Amino acid sequence: DAGVIQSPRHEVTEMGQEVTLRCKPISGHDYLFWYRQTMMRGLELLIYFNNNVPIDDSGMPEDRFSAKMPNASFSTLKIQPSEPRDSAVYFCASKDRGGTEAFFGQGTRLTVV
Amino acid sequence: AQSVTQLDSHVSVSEGTPVLLRCNYSSSYSPSLFWYVQHPNKGLQLLLKYTSAATLVKGINGFEAEFKKSETSFHLTKPSAHMSDAAEYFCVLNQAGTALIFGKGTTLSVSS
Repeated sequence: DAGVIQSPRHEVTEMGQEVTLRCKPISGHDYLFWYRQTMMRGLELLIYFNNNVPIDDSGMPEDRFSAKMPNASFSTLKIQPSEPRDSAVYFCASKDRGGTEAFFGQGTRLTVV
Repeated sequence: AQSVTQLDSHVSVSEGTPVLLRCNYSSSYSPSLFWYVQHPNKGLQLLLKYTSAATLVKGINGFEAEFKKSETSFHLTKPSAHMSDAAEYFCVLNQAGTALIFGKGTTLSVSS
């Protein structure tokens, strides 16, 4: 397996634009996580899914953020409209059931200008 | 409530000296614990994991950690630091069916 695949790796967009981040988890993994990393706040869990169903979205900052997982092999994180304070590295991770390790993608570095 | 506390935000060592990165956890159930490493502008890489087997866990690059239930600790150690060990290290708690809980991270600096 190629691991968790995120796209794009880098995204620069203007304030007010819609941004969509994509993630392909490892095949067979039941859980998918979206994290955001900033210097000020460290790694924050935004949302996670189990078997494509959102379980906990309490970390989603506000209504401008939304996440979907239409099937077991794909998830999106959308920000609309984007703001400069959304600039961060967004990580996607997946794991199988049973409390084993999570595997992280390389991240998407988002810059909103 | 589950939580992870990394006791030092920054640790500085000289090359060739021991490394100790401290982590305490709080969990209602038997946890799985992990250490991840993140090099600058890179993703997160698993260093080692504890999942209720041996309490002394060996990981990659000479790192190891000991799970101590009585102290609710999972400290990361390495006998001799290398320049390439300079990175940020995260202690992570996981219970089956829940999300990963990250510590705030410890930045390790290694000087020559």
